[in-house]
Amino acid sequence: AQSVTQLDSQVPVFEEAPVELRCNYSSSVSVYLFWYVQYPNQGLQLLLKYLSGSTLVESINGFEAEFNKSQTSFHLRKPSVHISDTAEYFCAVTSRGPGGGADGLTFGKGTHLIIQP
Amino acid sequence: KAGVTQTPRYLIKTRGQQVTLSCSPISGHRSVSWYQQTPGQGLQFLFEYFSETQRNKGNFPGRFSGRQFSNSRSEMNVSTLELGDSALYLCASSPGQGPGETQYFGPGTRLLVL
Repeated sequence: AQSVTQLDSQVPVFEEAPVELRCNYSSSVSVYLFWYVQYPNQGLQLLLKYLSGSTLVESINGFEAEFNKSQTSFHLRKPSVHISDTAEYFCAVTSRGPGGGADGLTFGKGTHLIIQP
Repeated sequence: KAGVTQTPRYLIKTRGQQVTLSCSPISGHRSVSWYQQTPGQGLQFLFEYFSETQRNKGNFPGRFSGRQFSNSRSEMNVSTLELGDSALYLCASSPGQGPGETQYFGPGTRLLVL
């Protein structure tokens, strides 16, 4: 079975400061890792994902995450946050199912990023 | 392209009733997954359908069921509703069923069981 732990339920940070949202996963097989974001009153949107290859993946809006297999982590970082980054961030993991398709996404409990002016 | 749509957006039911929720995936997407989101348990996977076949199922009781039609639209049904079934039910679609596929989420159906 897979599990995802997001260590912080809330992270307050000042505008233009750097931020790191932590995510650790547990799985006995090869994994595919995702960060989804849920802005206030909006649906879940993919921020970035790791499938294979380079362990550092980037999003179009300045976020990046690094896959660390030895530490089973996939922490999300941004060097300088903006007020518009206020949202709930979810880390998720999946793997290849027995039929070759995907198991359902296993999500962490989410981290609420609060940007203070 | 239009996004994933879910109907109805809000629903109030009483214990013991049953409910059917509907999801229309993005045009061309063949995989539909359902998730339950609650404050206590977070986001939990219910099931996934691909080409009208259930491919994966989460750890939910048999009261939760679903189906997918030939046009990829999907419905989920919850019978004998319990108070704990109050939640936001999210539908997500993806082009295929591989583990690396991005899932595109709808706005959800908020179900309140009284």
